[in-house]
Amino acid sequence: AQTVTQSQPEMSVQEAETVTLSCTYDTSESDYYLFWYKQPPSRQMILVIRQEAYKQQNATENRFSVNFQKAAKSFSLKISDSQLGDAAMYFCAYRTDSGGGADGLTFGKGTHLIIQP
Amino acid sequence: DTAVSQTPKYLVTQMGNDKSIKCEQNLGHDTMYWYKQDSKKFLKIMFSYNNKELIINETVPNRFSPKSPDKAHLNLHINSLELGDSAVYFCASSPYRQSYNEQFFGPGTRLTVL
Repeated sequence: AQTVTQSQPEMSVQEAETVTLSCTYDTSESDYYLFWYKQPPSRQMILVIRQEAYKQQNATENRFSVNFQKAAKSFSLKISDSQLGDAAMYFCAYRTDSGGGADGLTFGKGTHLIIQP
Repeated sequence: DTAVSQTPKYLVTQMGNDKSIKCEQNLGHDTMYWYKQDSKKFLKIMFSYNNKELIINETVPNRFSPKSPDKAHLNLHINSLELGDSAVYFCASSPYRQSYNEQFFGPGTRLTVL
């Protein structure tokens, strides 16, 4: 079974600074998908960014980018120019590409990101 | 228009009661899911359905029974509620056989068992 580990229960960053959230995962599969979801206090789950394992290029979405190291099974999220609205729980998630198509996400335990004004 | 909706958003009930949570998606997706988020914020898949057919059934007590009347709806019925069932339950949906697509989550239902 796949596991996802987020080793930082909480991170704090000054507004406008850059912060990196770490995520490692364990899998024996070669094809899979990785996601970062954000959960603000409203508790709505919001997709931040996704990465296909077969793509070597790191995904980028505006101020959010990932550092995907497939051999190291690492998938960190970098948030540049942090804003107050970025304060939330961030979850790293794994999804197999076994072909079943109805696979659930395997989540890490989350990192609580605090933005200091 | 809400893509994935759940009712109710909050549910407070006594131990031993039976309750249901409803989920509807208007995205035209074939696959729907139930996740449980515990008090430590850990999210875990419970069930997935594809076009009304049960695909994933994780190690969830038999007291939990999902029902999908059509592919746009996936309800969760819980019998004989226990204190440990207190959690936030999320419904989600995604297109079938497109693992790269995100799963769209509903707003969650906070269940409190007293």
